[in-house]
Amino acid sequence: AQSVTQPDIHITVSEGASLELRCNYSYGATPYLFWYVQSPGQGLQLLLKYFSGDTLVQGIKGFEAEFKRSQSSFNLRKPSVHWSDAAEYFCAGLNAGGTSYGKLTFGQGTILTVHP
Amino acid sequence: DGGITQSPKYLFRKEGQNVTLSCEQNLNHDAMYWYRQDPGQGLRLIYYSQIVNDFQKGDIAEGYSVSREKKESFPLTVTSAQKNPTAFYLCASSISREDTQYFGPGTRLTVL
Repeated sequence: AQSVTQPDIHITVSEGASLELRCNYSYGATPYLFWYVQSPGQGLQLLLKYFSGDTLVQGIKGFEAEFKRSQSSFNLRKPSVHWSDAAEYFCAGLNAGGTSYGKLTFGQGTILTVHP
Repeated sequence: DGGITQSPKYLFRKEGQNVTLSCEQNLNHDAMYWYRQDPGQGLRLIYYSQIVNDFQKGDIAEGYSVSREKKESFPLTVTSAQKNPTAFYLCASSISREDTQYFGPGTRLTVL
């Protein structure tokens, strides 16, 4: 069965430091991949998505993610974190075919804390 | 201003009561979804609908029901059969099932 794994439950960084949030996927074929962000008590906001093509994807708020097929990873990065980036981040994969066509599977989420 | 609205933001229910959560979208999306979010468990799919008058069970449909009578509306009823309904409920929509899902602001349901 397809799965998305975020190995880090909680990450703490200092404001201005770089950030990398990890995401690994397990699918029969390459899924469509997404990163969402959620502030407490709010809905999910799409940061970026990968369907095909260029493996380095740019998103909103200065975030980017790199798709690496050999490592089954889709890690999210930001060169300099701002205090307003503190939130929970979800990686998700979408089956583009097969028996679970169109099913969006979420990782468990990574909570980001930013120290001043 | 296009988007997805959910109401109410907070909902309190007594045990044994059914409650209905509203989800409306004006994005002209065909597909709509309901997810349940519990701390540390990510999001789990309750029901989805690809088109008006059609819907399918997701991974945790027991104790829930839905309808899709209009393209823009996909209400979720939490029935008394749902054993542990206290959670944060999120509605989403997409142009089609193989496209990006966009989320509403959520409804927090608490059973007293």
